[in-house]
Amino acid sequence: QSALTQPASMSGPLGQSISISCTGSSHDVGGFDFVSWYQQKPGKAPQLILYHVNKRPSGVSDRFSGSKSDNTASLTISGLQAEDEADYYCISYSSSTLLDILVGGGTKVTVL
Amino acid sequence: EVELVESGGGLVQPGRSLRLSCATSGFSFGDYVMSWFRQAPGKGLEWVGFIRSRNFGGTTEYAASVRGRFTFSRDDSKAIAYMEMNTLRTEDTGVYYCSRGGRGVIAAEMFDFWGQGTLVTVSS
Repeated sequence: QSALTQPASMSGPLGQSISISCTGSSHDVGGFDFVSWYQQKPGKAPQLILYHVNKRPSGVSDRFSGSKSDNTASLTISGLQAEDEADYYCISYSSSTLLDILVGGGTKVTVL
Repeated sequence: EVELVESGGGLVQPGRSLRLSCATSGFSFGDYVMSWFRQAPGKGLEWVGFIRSRNFGGTTEYAASVRGRFTFSRDDSKAIAYMEMNTLRTEDTGVYYCSRGGRGVIAAEMFDFWGQGTLVTVSS
């Protein structure tokens, strides 16, 4: 069981928008802005798509956006495209003495 | 261009050891946290741990599942990060990735570059 909770799967038709949630606690997601999101395609390494909740690295499409409310961070993919089909993971800093980094269980996004 | 290349994976018997390397180029290696993640076959991503830069004491943090068995080190002169894996278990099987973390004490700021991964299979 992952410390950060994500839906196992989500789907949407081409052109639609979906939002993936990442729920933690006040010791991690809710307490700090060190939330990042990663896209992973089959057989490939994860790729950073958002950091500090809502900042995009150079080269990442502006169809990816992020937000946070209380203990839940969200990744929104606007205008779904076929190449967005992948697994998505959130990662957060944790102030817990036992854990420094928490990873979500991952969300498989299917484009219909 | 930033590049990370893992090596050292393979088939190993339970209880034995293995050392993974993460050779890097294209950035000032000594200034960054280097982190390790793994992914069991068909499963999600799992954080393994990280080693801070010398600026922050080169200290290490480990996930509970590997604490006491895995050890991180780094050679800033060669821009290589290492992970020594001891007393391996079947549940350690998976693809191991190294990644570049932040430049500060907060390693989880972001993981912006990743290696291609190296497969470790623990089986008798």
